[in-house]
Amino acid sequence: GQQLNQSPQSMFIQEGEDVSMNCTSSSIFNTWLWYKQDPGEGPVLLIALYKAGELTSNGRLTAQFGITRKDSFLNISASIPSDVGIYFCAGQRGNQGAQKLVFGQGTRLTINP
Amino acid sequence: GAGVSQSPSNKVTEKGKDVELRCDPISGHTALYWYRQSLGQGLEFLIYFQGNSAPDKSGLPSDRFSAERTGGSVSTLTIQRTQQEDSAVYLCASSPGDRGLKQDFGPGTRLTVT
Repeated sequence: GQQLNQSPQSMFIQEGEDVSMNCTSSSIFNTWLWYKQDPGEGPVLLIALYKAGELTSNGRLTAQFGITRKDSFLNISASIPSDVGIYFCAGQRGNQGAQKLVFGQGTRLTINP
Repeated sequence: GAGVSQSPSNKVTEKGKDVELRCDPISGHTALYWYRQSLGQGLEFLIYFQGNSAPDKSGLPSDRFSAERTGGSVSTLTIQRTQQEDSAVYLCASSPGDRGLKQDFGPGTRLTVT
């Protein structure tokens, strides 16, 4: 079953606002990833984090890998309408070869124009 | 280039029937993964393949679920004697294999069991 706790479950914001969501785990993951899923599509990778404490940006997105390797957060600055969707965190225990992903429950982002 | 494709995109079946879901991975990707996404939930790992072998089947919910991969390419997920709780979106992903992180997902097959 799910081992990652993601919060909040949903967010309703105004266009232009900043967004923050986070993910925690009771066990260690060696890699953390953040995905976005649009309706009717599969998840698309946004950011991958490989080292504890790592802070990585991708445009308006910033994500951090917690020092304990049990948590991560994702920030979106100056939100725009195309940011609407469901955001998932995912963890991977190993960092070599094929590895399954463990997903959080998702954060549904809605933007009011 | 072409991404991961899945067929059918939608499948409605009666309880008790068998269904087959197909995944065509990105050409050259040696690793292939199956996940299940129930309504409003995150993705749940089912099984993955490295080449034609399945090192990890731990996520398959019951012995009604099976999967195979042939020629290191196409994979089929089979659900026998479907139940209503099997209704979900079944997602396939593939990766180069040396780095499982870069998993590219297909659009999924939405299965509805009536």
